[in-house]
Amino acid sequence: AQTVTQSQPEMSVQEAETVTLSCTYDTSESDYYLFWYKQPPSRQMILVIRQEAYKQQNATENRFSVNFQKAAKSFSLKISDSQLGDAAMYFCAYRGEGNTPLVFGKGTRLSVIA
Amino acid sequence: DTGVSQDPRHKITKRGQNVTFRCDPISEHNRLYWYRQTLGQGPEFLTYFQNEAQLEKSRLLSDRFSAERPKGSFSTLEIQRTEQGDSAMYLCASSPGRGWGTEAFFGQGTRLTVV
Repeated sequence: AQTVTQSQPEMSVQEAETVTLSCTYDTSESDYYLFWYKQPPSRQMILVIRQEAYKQQNATENRFSVNFQKAAKSFSLKISDSQLGDAAMYFCAYRGEGNTPLVFGKGTRLSVIA
Repeated sequence: DTGVSQDPRHKITKRGQNVTFRCDPISEHNRLYWYRQTLGQGPEFLTYFQNEAQLEKSRLLSDRFSAERPKGSFSTLEIQRTEQGDSAMYLCASSPGRGWGTEAFFGQGTRLTVV
């Protein structure tokens, strides 16, 4: 069974600075998708960024980028120019082949300090 | 389209009572997922549907839990004889059937408190 591990329960960052959230996973599949989801307090979870395993190039979405290391099974999220609105729980998630259900990590709570 | 809708948003019930939650997915999304999230944890998969067919159930889904999606549109999750351990946020998500890299869109969840 696939597992996703987020080793940082909490992180904080100063406004306008950069922060990196860590995620590792375990799988025997060769092709899969990885996702970062953001869950603001009392609001629904929304997709931040996704990465397909067989694509070498790291995904980027505006201030959000990933460092995908397939051999190391590592998938970190970098948030640049942090904003107060970035404060939320961030979940790393894995999806195997065939649109199977997402497997989530336990999350990292990010605080942004003004 | 207003996204994934869940009802009710909050439910307080006494131990032993039955509760039912509803999820309305984004229209034309034929995959629908139920997750449970406890405080400080990530969502845990419960079950999912493709159209009206229930394709997979987690070991977390005890006999007291049942889910339906009768016409391939909205879904209900029922918990019978609730226990205090059932207290959690119940999340629903939907996604298009095509392409397995597509994102899942989540509702705001139903928070269940069993007293």
